[in-house]
Amino acid sequence: GENVEQHPSTLSVQEGDSAVIKCTYSDSASNYFPWYKQELGKRPQLIIDIRSNVGEKKDQRIAVTLNKTAKHFSLHITETQPEDSAVYFCAASASGGSYIPTFGRGTSLIVHP
Amino acid sequence: TAGITQAPTSQILAAGRSMTLRCTQDMRHNAMYWYRQDLGLGLRLIHYSNTAGTTGKGEVPDGYSVSRANTDDFPLTLASAVPSQTSVYFCASRGDRDGYTFGSGTRLTVV
Repeated sequence: GENVEQHPSTLSVQEGDSAVIKCTYSDSASNYFPWYKQELGKRPQLIIDIRSNVGEKKDQRIAVTLNKTAKHFSLHITETQPEDSAVYFCAASASGGSYIPTFGRGTSLIVHP
Repeated sequence: TAGITQAPTSQILAAGRSMTLRCTQDMRHNAMYWYRQDLGLGLRLIHYSNTAGTTGKGEVPDGYSVSRANTDDFPLTLASAVPSQTSVYFCASRGDRDGYTFGSGTRLTVV
């Protein structure tokens, strides 16, 4: 089955700096890679996703890159703000059908004012 | 507002007692899931259902059961709770566009 590794487990940055979270996956059939943000005491929420037919996707201060050959994908947050502090989860799955998404173990991002 | 509703929000349960965590969605998603979240372990899949009438086991199914009588509801039952089942439980559903929608979670403490 699919195995998703996520690093680092914790990340501490100063406000305004960039943050990068990396994930690797094992199953070459995976073609859909979402990222979720979970604030303290809240539910995980989808913030951005990428499919295997593109290499990069941006949405304001966040971007995701995908390297299918190396089987890794990354979340980039620029100009970090204190409200970016949360736990971020990556996931990998095959689009549609009954393929079960596999989650990484999460990265706790702390943005210091 | 469309989405997923979980109940209860939190519960303290005596060991050995049974309990059903409720999950209802109104988005007509075929696939639904139950996860438990424990510190340092991320989200672990308990059971899933790809469509009404079918269920499957996830990574940590022991001690839990599910049913999927219709599209909207996916209850999770603990037949005889044990302290190791203390956790936060999230229900989720997935539509055609693949991203999960999560419920607000149930915080369960087994004492």
